[in-house]
Formats: sequence, C-alpha cells, structure tokens
Amino acid sequence: DSGVTQTPKHLITATGQRVTLRCSPRSGDLSVYWYQQSLDQGLQFLIQYYNGEERAKGNILERFSAQQFPDLHSELNLSSLELGDSALYFCASSASGAGNYGYTFGSGTRLTVV
Amino acid sequence: AQKVTQAQTEISVVEKEDVTLDCVYETRDTTYYLFWYKQPPSGELVFLIRRNSFDEQNEISGRYSWNFQKSTSSFNFTITASQVVDSAVYFCALSEVLTGANNLFFGTGTRLTVIP
Repeated sequence: DSGVTQTPKHLITATGQRVTLRCSPRSGDLSVYWYQQSLDQGLQFLIQYYNGEERAKGNILERFSAQQFPDLHSELNLSSLELGDSALYFCASSASGAGNYGYTFGSGTRLTVV
Repeated sequence: AQKVTQAQTEISVVEKEDVTLDCVYETRDTTYYLFWYKQPPSGELVFLIRRNSFDEQNEISGRYSWNFQKSTSSFNFTITASQVVDSAVYFCALSEVLTGANNLFFGTGTRLTVIP
C-alpha cells in the first residue's frame, strides 16, 4: 500500500457522461498530481495542486477539471466523455510543491468509455 | 521535443540473463532529478530510484543497478540475473527544478519480458 488512495479502481461509462475520480494523498503530503496513461499518449501530466491551490497545468483538456479540498484530497472531473478518454488515471502525491523529493503514486483508476 | 527517450520498446530475455534498459534525457536545467518506475501487469507504478543531477555515483540495490552519466545524458538501468517477476514495463522520468516544472516527464517505457 503506497499510502495514496484512488477510487474507484474501475469505471465504465458511456460517451457524453461525466465522472469524478477521487484521490487521497499520503499522510502529510500537500501536493497532488494527476496523470493520464493512454495507449497512444503514454503517461502524461495533467495538473498539480499544492495545499488547495492549482500549481501547474499540463496537457489537460478543457472538458477536464480538478480541485483539491481543505482536507487535501483531490477530485478530477471528466465531462462530455469521449472514447479517447479511456485510460488509466493516476494520482501522485509529494510532500512539497516542487515534487523533487519524490512522488508516490496511487494504484490508478481505469476508465473505460463505451 | 521528447525530454526522456527510451528507445527500446520491448525486450525479451531468458531468466537469469542480465538486461540493461536505456534512458536518455534532455534538459537545460542544471538541477534535475531522474527516476525509474516499474509498472507490473497489475498496473500500479512502483518507485525504484530517484537520482539528483549532482550525484553521478552509480547505485546498486540487490539485483538492480543504475548508471548515471551526465556527459551522455543517460540514466541506464541494469537488472542482473533477471527473474520472471521482473517482467513489467519500466519507465524513466525526469523532473526539472529550476524551470519550475514540478511534474514528471515520462519516457514511453520499455516492456521487459523475462522468459522462464
């Protein structure tokens, strides 16, 4: 157990729908990162939050949004889902905003859009 | 431009053979971190090592060893006496400090299959 909890583990939904992925960081970590792993794009950084504030943005689509709550858990919202959004979504946490002290990954949420 | 290149897409070895996974990176930062992660068939990302740009000392951990060479911008990973449990996709990743990019740039991964 890495200490980073992601729910749900699996999600199957239809095109056009909206889903929410949840991540609880490791105890004491203030930063949360979201990554998408798809067959054609590989592992890509989506967005980072640090202590409730957005810190960095990567290749995140406008249909996607995220937030980090006061208890430091984070949610990734994916809307108007398309078949191409099917992927493994990872959350990672780190102690600092820079993330250079190491990242701990959750086990991922596998999203299948049908 | 790719910041991290893993040219080997797939490698197959017979159990007990040694295998080296290559990683070449590109950065303008003078301070950066390099990582290796293992992704077994179950899908989770398992941290293997973190190395900062100022520490070129090679590291050995059991059957695993890493060779960091700044002169060639490479951070290669060797598994000695491979085992079937080593079968996984291995990712090399880069984190830059001075540019303020706080995220990891991953290579495309190398799928290692160890044949019993």
